[in-house]
Amino acid sequence: DTAVSQTPKYLVTQMGNDKSIKCEQNLGHDTMYWYKQDSKKFLKIMFSYNNKELIINETVPNRFSPKSPDKAHLNLHINSLELGDSAVYFCASSQRGSESQHFGDGTRLSIL
Amino acid sequence: QKEVEQDPGPLSVPEGAIVSLNCTYSNSAFQYFMWYRQYSRKGPELLMYTYSSGNKEDGRFTAQVDKSSKYISLFIRDSQPSDSATYLCAMTASGGSYIPTFGRGTSLIVHP
Repeated sequence: DTAVSQTPKYLVTQMGNDKSIKCEQNLGHDTMYWYKQDSKKFLKIMFSYNNKELIINETVPNRFSPKSPDKAHLNLHINSLELGDSAVYFCASSQRGSESQHFGDGTRLSIL
Repeated sequence: QKEVEQDPGPLSVPEGAIVSLNCTYSNSAFQYFMWYRQYSRKGPELLMYTYSSGNKEDGRFTAQVDKSSKYISLFIRDSQPSDSATYLCAMTASGGSYIPTFGRGTSLIVHP
């Protein structure tokens, strides 16, 4: 059973489109995250949710909107996609108070 | 200067070699230090976790933290081709948000 699963694995789309990425964890964790990994491999936190509430929102354009319907799910919706949004987006989860995080395998977003 | 510096490599070694991977950091508040391993097209997975200074050993892997020098290391003994991956260091401050600050990762290639 996959602990943190993301769909889709690959997303190729045109500039200006709107797209969503879904994430689910079956570890019973109470905190979930979205990270962006750019072409230079830097992992940068975008959002963090604890028990469905947003606790961290780094400097991210408001075209990015996370939604957490329950503790096990955290989705990311992106409006008006731009070339600079091309990256790998990782979902992760952890138990609050723990430093270790479990990552999904990423969604590779390419903007044409 | 970034908070966490890590040489991206690639570092290429023969099978059986001892590998040394390193990170330096500037934030003296960091107390928790982690090493993640990331295989190609996969998400990072936690390899080692250390609190404050000292050494920690787990099989062929040893993590070392020198807080006075703001320097952490991961040693891999008897390296195997299956160790070929990107190794990311990560660290958090105590009492904080538990969101780690990641290095950009070092690409390791172990050739037979």
